[in-house]
Amino acid sequence: NAGVTQTPKFQVLKTGQSMTLQCAQDMNHNSMYWYRQDPGMGLRLIYYSASEGTTDKGEVPNGYNVSRLNKREFSLRLESAAPSQTSVYFCASSIYEQYFGPGTRLTVT
Amino acid sequence: DAKTTQPTSMDCAEGRAANLPCNHSTISGNEYVYWYRQIHSQGPQYIIHGLKNNETNEMASLIITEDRKSSTLILPHATLRDTAVYYCIVREVSGTYKYIFGTGTRLKVLA
Repeated sequence: NAGVTQTPKFQVLKTGQSMTLQCAQDMNHNSMYWYRQDPGMGLRLIYYSASEGTTDKGEVPNGYNVSRLNKREFSLRLESAAPSQTSVYFCASSIYEQYFGPGTRLTVT
Repeated sequence: DAKTTQPTSMDCAEGRAANLPCNHSTISGNEYVYWYRQIHSQGPQYIIHGLKNNETNEMASLIITEDRKSSTLILPHATLRDTAVYYCIVREVSGTYKYIFGTGTRLKVLA
């Protein structure tokens, strides 16, 4: 039982490049979430998926898209990366309390 | 905006109880109080939650005031490994369970 896994752990992008952050959970949770955390700040919700086949915007969705591929997987895509998207990205899943992955540290230069 | 207010930082001596306060004066009857912590840059870790009764588990105790406008997380015997940022969050009982994280309380346990 791995819990919530995220890939990659680290990534450096140039401005304008695209990439997809992957998240998977093996706890059979319905809900999944993507957050970003900037230095010295709390987590901010980007997108969430209450159940398979549904996605909704969170606090800071601009510049991102998501796909709930199946019940296990929830991906986050940056179509044209910007330096303002330099952050640590956390994925989480839940039935009630949320379980978080280890994070992806993204730098956009 | 976050619905909770917490002190920015606190210190606690190792072996002593750490009492972390949280104000949630606008909480509604269908909202739980949840506590998480984040050690270094790891993903947040669930600690405990409650609706209106006090709760205890192997990690901590949660005391919620009778009017539910504030709560206190108690780590009974703090250790150096409890040094972390602690987040108090209110969450609807039903629905999509969206959280609003504030900036939390940075607890430093001193040797």
